[in-house]
Amino acid sequence: NAGVMQNPRHLVRRRGQEARLRCSPMKGHSHVYWYRQLPEEGLKFMVYLQKENIIDESGMPKERFSAEFPKEGPSILRIQQVVRGDSAAYFCASSPRSGAGNTEAFFGQGTRLTVV
Amino acid sequence: SQQGEEDPQALSIQEGENATMNCSYKTSINNLQWYRQNSGRGLVHLILIRSNEREKHSGRLRVTLDTSKKSSSLLITASRAADTASYFCATDVITGGFKTIFGAGTRLFVKA
Repeated sequence: NAGVMQNPRHLVRRRGQEARLRCSPMKGHSHVYWYRQLPEEGLKFMVYLQKENIIDESGMPKERFSAEFPKEGPSILRIQQVVRGDSAAYFCASSPRSGAGNTEAFFGQGTRLTVV
Repeated sequence: SQQGEEDPQALSIQEGENATMNCSYKTSINNLQWYRQNSGRGLVHLILIRSNEREKHSGRLRVTLDTSKKSSSLLITASRAADTASYFCATDVITGGFKTIFGAGTRLFVKA
């Protein structure tokens, strides 16, 4: 059973371009979470999705950022018109059910986005 | 500000010593989890403690939870150089829906 797979591992984009980050949850997991980690800082919650639904996007910037988790395929975190401040590591985690069920989340290795 | 706050921010000890990290949080929780992150890598789940539990053990790890003080501690006994990593606490908040909130982490360095 493969773990949470994120790709690409490293992504370089010029200012103004779009960045697409993919996350394939563990098999059987229907809950996906995205976090952003700036250098030397902890993880900041961005968005929580279930299949075809955004449950909580309170941590996601209102502009330029969007996330989806379609019925088929990976979850996508999309950043439009990237700026230097978007440079960070973006981590995806998945769980079989919500945290209210007292379950751990499994993390991917992250995508390191560098905006030049 | 973040829900979980770890202290110390950084900790340097000798191999064989014990390492204690603390985590404080603000709102009511369903559970609290500790994760480890090696430099530049993803997070690895270490241990989960439910809000009705006070102490939990896993190998060389011991976690305590004091819900009256809204705090938790992670103790690593007989530390090894391989324990060098950042350690994060995360809480599942139970108000306003679910999300897991992480603190800024404690950077542990174990000297051989």
